[in-house]
Amino acid sequence: GAGVSQSPSNKVTEKGKDVELRCDPISGHTALYWYRQSLGQGLEFLIYFQGNSAPDKSGLPSDRFSAERTGGSVSTLTIQRTQQEDSAVYLCASSRSGTRTDTQYFGPGTRLTVL
Amino acid sequence: GNSVTQMEGPVTLSEEAFLTINCTYTATGYPSLFWYVQYPGEGLQLLLKATKADDKGSNKGFEATYRKETTSFHLEKGSVQVSDSAVYFCALSPTPNNTDKLIFGTGTRLQVFP
Repeated sequence: GAGVSQSPSNKVTEKGKDVELRCDPISGHTALYWYRQSLGQGLEFLIYFQGNSAPDKSGLPSDRFSAERTGGSVSTLTIQRTQQEDSAVYLCASSRSGTRTDTQYFGPGTRLTVL
Repeated sequence: GNSVTQMEGPVTLSEEAFLTINCTYTATGYPSLFWYVQYPGEGLQLLLKATKADDKGSNKGFEATYRKETTSFHLEKGSVQVSDSAVYFCALSPTPNNTDKLIFGTGTRLQVFP
């Protein structure tokens, strides 16, 4: 079946602009995660959605970052007033039920470059 | 807190050599442990996992055993191939009371030469 998809695959923006990144999880997966992969910080957790529960936003680096998940499926990560340190690959993952034994399946990522 | 430490790379080997990539963790309770692999130009893929102490995960000739006494999950392969060249990430998922986010190590780049 289809895997996790993300769009766009690449995004170049100017400092101060807002960007939206999209994630389509695997159908039927209730848990959705956003991570960021950057040279300086490695792979970092950003935010987690599980069903209708309140999201865990503990990994978001600043209030410029927000995310939503509509209808328990598609998710959008929004970065407002982008800064150069936001440049990274943003990865989305989904899992069947979000338990610690579940496998998380990753999308190909969106490479964000802030000029 | 929860953390993962893995050996720095790059690890450079000749084809058919034995591979070990060390991974140790710090966690409260009983985490699940994972190895993910990122091939050049591709996304992260699960390589193997173990969900309780003494479990052995295995896939594609790779193995790792969950050792609670040494808090380790070292990755091994008896005979590497050029196609194994990639970046390998050790990760843990903490106990159920926490968000089951993955906490990753910094990654180890493996380069295999013919």
